[in-house]
Amino acid sequence: QLQLQESGPGLVKPSETLSLTCTVSGGSISSNNYYWGWIRQPPGKGLEWSASISYSGTTYYNPSLKSRVTISVDTSKDQLSLRLSSVTAADSAVYYCVHYYHDNSGYFYPPSTWGQGTLVTVSS
Amino acid sequence: EIVLTQSPGTLSLSPGERATLSCRASQSVSNSYLAWYQQKPGQAPRLLIYGASSRATGIPDRFSGSGSGTDFTLIISRLEPEDFAVYYCQQYGSVPWTFGQGTKVEIK
Repeated sequence: QLQLQESGPGLVKPSETLSLTCTVSGGSISSNNYYWGWIRQPPGKGLEWSASISYSGTTYYNPSLKSRVTISVDTSKDQLSLRLSSVTAADSAVYYCVHYYHDNSGYFYPPSTWGQGTLVTVSS
Repeated sequence: EIVLTQSPGTLSLSPGERATLSCRASQSVSNSYLAWYQQKPGQAPRLLIYGASSRATGIPDRFSGSGSGTDFTLIISRLEPEDFAVYYCQQYGSVPWTFGQGTKVEIK
């Protein structure tokens, strides 16, 4: 069974770069038809999709973050990463790593596997 | 960007009652790629429904989804104590993925 575990700094200063890692276990990050993404949730608020990456390396970004965000995978470590530059207090949130996929007919399934989330606070 | 509007914001019901949650999209959701999630405090969201009407693995049949185009509904036929939570709809048919603002189902 696929499991995801996020890790990160917890506290980031304004204007700095936030870096998060998600370690995948129970499966390979490079498996065909697999996609990986980051969804965040500010404290007490709703969910916002940030970025995704496909098994072939195609990236997808939320336009609201596009100029600041980078998603990547390290297949040798089965790890997913997120970098968000020039952070402000508005970037304070629980960041979830998620997995989704499409079947061989091309039908997409939404994220059914989520990490437990990691809280990132942006403050000086 | 597709904007999803959920209603009501809060639903106050008793165990055993029926809950009807609505999700309206600002434009048609491609392939009916509309999902519903349940979230409890301190937990990650849990996928309930995908493709507007298909239950995810392990989801009880008291949860059902329906709709197409721009109007979608989640029904919980008989509320169990563990169903009191926040529910989000999400469209994953077009980028950027978007979520509704959530409906809180609370105990009356």
